[in-house]
Amino acid sequence: RKEVEQDPGPFNVPEGATVAFNCTYSNSASQSFFWYRQDCRKEPKLLMSVYSSGNEDGRFTAQLNRASQYISLLIRDSKLSDSATYLCVVAAGTALIFGKGTTLSVSS
Amino acid sequence: EAGVTQSPTHLIKTRGQQATLRCSPISGHTSVYWYQQALGLGLQFLLWYDEGEERNRGNFPPRFSGRQFPNYSSELNVNALELEDSALYLCASSPRQGPKNIQYFGAGTRLSVL
Repeated sequence: RKEVEQDPGPFNVPEGATVAFNCTYSNSASQSFFWYRQDCRKEPKLLMSVYSSGNEDGRFTAQLNRASQYISLLIRDSKLSDSATYLCVVAAGTALIFGKGTTLSVSS
Repeated sequence: EAGVTQSPTHLIKTRGQQATLRCSPISGHTSVYWYQQALGLGLQFLLWYDEGEERNRGNFPPRFSGRQFPNYSSELNVNALELEDSALYLCASSPRQGPKNIQYFGAGTRLSVL
């Protein structure tokens, strides 16, 4: 089983749609969880940390289920500028383990 | 404030040669991390340097090595290049204080091995 697994997509959605990405991780000792965003041929940028209680940042909501080792990201009211690859990231200690990413394409 | 800077942007080498990639962390950051992003694969952790010492390395052969200088900048060296070393190499940094797993990435060096 891969350490961090994501559905690669692509997810093709119209502007204004709500889209959800899922991620599972294999290491139960993982301590910290993040979503990064990577635009084409650019570096990854931290989108948000993921907390056990769930957290929201504007149109973005992240959830963590430690028992199921499952992380999710919900994007509401999608914008064209949300088109990117979303990377699920799990940390055990200082090493970050990245999923391969889920590609989102938002069209008008 | 300047972000993480990497040089060169692109590097073309032939099989068997050596490549040197450079990274300058954000001012005040003491930890530097190196990752490899090969086509179709996720980012793979390579090396972590903190305060001049190698703290951890990923599952890569010894021909991948590096160092961190007193000013916290870092070099990644890849010896005896192989075709499959072609990838985007990303450097990230994190500050002395605070969680080490909040990392800020540079734009990367794209290495092509012919």
